[in-house]
This record gives sequence, structure tokens and C-alpha cells, in this order.
Amino acid sequence: AQTVTQSQPEMSVQEAETVTLSCTYDTSENNYYLFWYKQPPSRQMILVIRQEAYKQQNATENRFSVNFQKAAKSFSLKISDSQLGDTAMYFCAFMKPRNTGTASKLTFGTGTRLQVTL
Amino acid sequence: DAGVTQSPTHLIKTRGQQVTLRCSPKSGHDTVSWYQQALGQGPQFIFQYYEEEERQRGNFPDRFSGHQFPNYSSELNVNALLLGDSALYLCASSPNPRGRNSPLHFGNGTRLTVT
Repeated sequence: AQTVTQSQPEMSVQEAETVTLSCTYDTSENNYYLFWYKQPPSRQMILVIRQEAYKQQNATENRFSVNFQKAAKSFSLKISDSQLGDTAMYFCAFMKPRNTGTASKLTFGTGTRLQVTL
Repeated sequence: DAGVTQSPTHLIKTRGQQVTLRCSPKSGHDTVSWYQQALGQGPQFIFQYYEEEERQRGNFPDRFSGHQFPNYSSELNVNALLLGDSALYLCASSPNPRGRNSPLHFGNGTRLTVT
């Protein structure tokens, strides 16, 4: 079974600064997907960024980027130029791909609460 | 384009009662998954429905059951409620089978409180 660990329960960053959220995972799979989801007070899980394990290049989405270290099983999220709207819970998630059948399930970490301050 | 919608938003039940939560998937999606998110925890997979059948199930007791309707909407039923069932219940949808490895789209959840 896969496990996802987020060791930072809470983080704080000033507006316009950069912050990095950590995530490690454990799996025996060679091919898989990793995600960062954001959960604001509205409670909806919003996809921030996705990384495919077979791609060596780190994924980027505007101000969000990841540092994917496959050998170390590490998947950190860097948020640049932090904005007040980035305040939320951030969850790291693992997905084992499926070649047949229905959609894959996600395994989530326990989350990191990020507070962006003025 | 309507996203994933869940009802009700909040619900308060007493131990031993039964509850039904509802979910309508995003337009164009036909697979619905349910997750339980306890306070301070990440979501945990309950089960998934496709073509009106349960396709995958997480480590949850038989008190948790579900249903999918021909219009792809879904219900989550929990019988004999326990205090520990208090949580945010999230519904997620995805297209299938072409989207089996696509990111899930989540609703805003139903907050269930068991007293």
C-alpha cells in the first residue's frame, strides 16, 4: 500500500515571498502520478499541479512548481510570489495508474495549513 | 459548465440513525468516487461507482453503501451512525475510461456531524 507523509502541519509566509511545502511518499510502483491539491475554507479540493513519475522534468503552473526527486520519493511544492488567496490547506496525493477499468483512487497526506500574511 | 455538486451542505444526525448524501458529477463525467475527510486529516477513499456498480472500495465497513443512477448521480448511505462518522464527505467525479488517470474534480462536500 502507498503512504503519503506531510511533515509540516502549518506554515506561514509573507505576501510576495516564496514558500516550499514538503511531501514524501512510499511506494513500490515505478510508474505513478503525484498531485498537489488546495483546499480553501470553501472546502472544495482544487488541483494545483500534477507530476507524472516517468517525466524527469519538474511540473510548473504559473507561480507553482514542484521539486520531484523520484529516488528520494520526495515531492515538494514551491509557491512563488505568495498571495493572500493562497491561504488554504494543501494536500499531497498519490495515484497509481490503471491501464484498464475505472478511474484510479487518490491516497492523500494529512495536509499542510498555509497562512499568507501581509 | 456545472462542476460537482453535493447536497446537503451540512447535516446533523444522532448516533444509530441513517443518512443519505447526494452528488451530481461534473458535466461529461460518468464515474463518481466518495471520500471521507475527518477533522485535521486528508481524505480517505470510500468507494467508486461506474455504470451503476461499485467498482472499487476502500477500507470502510458495510455500513457505508452507495448507489449510482442512470444520470450518473450518486448517493452515499451510512447506517447505524457512530460518533466517529463525523466528517466532511467529498464527492469526486472523472470521465471514464479515457480519463482513468485524470485528476479528480471535487465538490464542496457535506459536513456530517453525529451527536
